[in-house]
Amino acid sequence: GAVVSQHPSWVICKSGTSVKIECRSLDFQATTMFWYRQFPKQSLMLMATSNEGSKATYEQGVEKDKFLINHASLTLSTLTVTSAHPEDSSFYICSAPRTSFPETQYFGPGTRLLVL
Amino acid sequence: AQTVTQSQPEMSVQEAETVTLSCTYDTSESDYYLFWYKQPPSRQMILVIRQEAYKQQNATENRFSVNFQKAAKSFSLKISDSQLGDAAMYFCASWGTYKYIFGTGTRLKVLA
Repeated sequence: GAVVSQHPSWVICKSGTSVKIECRSLDFQATTMFWYRQFPKQSLMLMATSNEGSKATYEQGVEKDKFLINHASLTLSTLTVTSAHPEDSSFYICSAPRTSFPETQYFGPGTRLLVL
Repeated sequence: AQTVTQSQPEMSVQEAETVTLSCTYDTSESDYYLFWYKQPPSRQMILVIRQEAYKQQNATENRFSVNFQKAAKSFSLKISDSQLGDAAMYFCASWGTYKYIFGTGTRLKVLA
């Protein structure tokens, strides 16, 4: 069964609105979670590392004010795409490390965002 | 900086045959891990196999095995007895400095 869930799985929004995507670890705690973006037929690009109780670490080129990350608890991280525009349309994936093997991650099923 | 390169955008294999997907990487880390992930049309990332860089022995998982050549920084995936369900995107990835770097992927088609 899935050990990392994402909600929603699919979202359509109007340009200029904000969209929140949740990533939850099920039955285990994750002090760190990772957010990726995947364009069609492309690879996963790490956007940021979400840290419980502290600020997220963003990769170079990712706008912090555009992609707000909040690691509210040991089982929940959220990614908010603020003032979304059509170019933000993408597939967003989160992952959380296995407790004993942080280098091996559980991936969420992904969220498809379409901005009109 | 870490890089992962997959030079085969697409591969095809006949059902029941064997196919090898290529991956090269570069890292300055002395302690790192290498992975192959499968992404089927559902887009759920599925771990296929992992290799600790400090282990010389090649990892195997049932029909999946790797050829890890540390000096050459090569990490290829061999799929034996290919099945229709193996059709997917395959991503090679390295883990170091506490994050993944993914290759660009290889689309595997399995022909009946």
